Amino acid sequence: AQTVTQSQPEMSVQEAETVTLSCTYDTSESNYYLFWYKQPPSRQMILVIRQEAYKQQNATENRFSVNFQKAAKSFSLKISDSQLGDTAMYFCAFPPRSSNYKLTFGKGTLLTVNP
Amino acid sequence: GAVVSQHPSRVICKSGTSVKIECRSLDFQATTMFWYRQFPKQSLMLMATSNEGSKATYEQGVEKDKFLINHASLTLSTLTVTSAHPEDSSFYICSALRSYNEQFFGPGTRLTVL
Repeated sequence: AQTVTQSQPEMSVQEAETVTLSCTYDTSESNYYLFWYKQPPSRQMILVIRQEAYKQQNATENRFSVNFQKAAKSFSLKISDSQLGDTAMYFCAFPPRSSNYKLTFGKGTLLTVNP
Repeated sequence: GAVVSQHPSRVICKSGTSVKIECRSLDFQATTMFWYRQFPKQSLMLMATSNEGSKATYEQGVEKDKFLINHASLTLSTLTVTSAHPEDSSFYICSALRSYNEQFFGPGTRLTVL
């Protein structure tokens, strides 16, 4: 079974600091995508960053970057220079080809950025 | 990114009535759309996959007669909650697949059944 695990239900960070959210997953597929989505209080799901498994280089989007360890099946999200607007639920997600690309979500990490 | 709309954003209805929620992809065609349900402080739970021109595929445990899905066109999927009861109160989110690695979400619909 394809699973996604986020072991940190809640985290907090001071404004301007760096925080890392962890995610592990399980799959037997060799090529796939991994995603981090953000859900702010408005509840709109927003794509933060995407990583393709066959690319060794870690994806980066402005202040957001990932540490992708394929062998360890680990996909952590680093947020640099945290801003108050980063306060949100963060979900790690994985669309297995075997399930016709339906997203499997982790349980989420609630990140609070404190002023 | 692409835009997906949902209507209505909020709905309050009486127990026993039916409620229809629309999901539209505004700037791309989506053969496949998904419907999720989300309880407070929880993750998204996939309810069903909506395929244009064919029957929806429901996840295990989801009552297909209660949650009717129609994917009438390449830009519109509807979810009808039939004979709604208070336990159906929840936040419903749709998403549309532009390609196998691009899924865009609607803003969600908050359903309250009195």
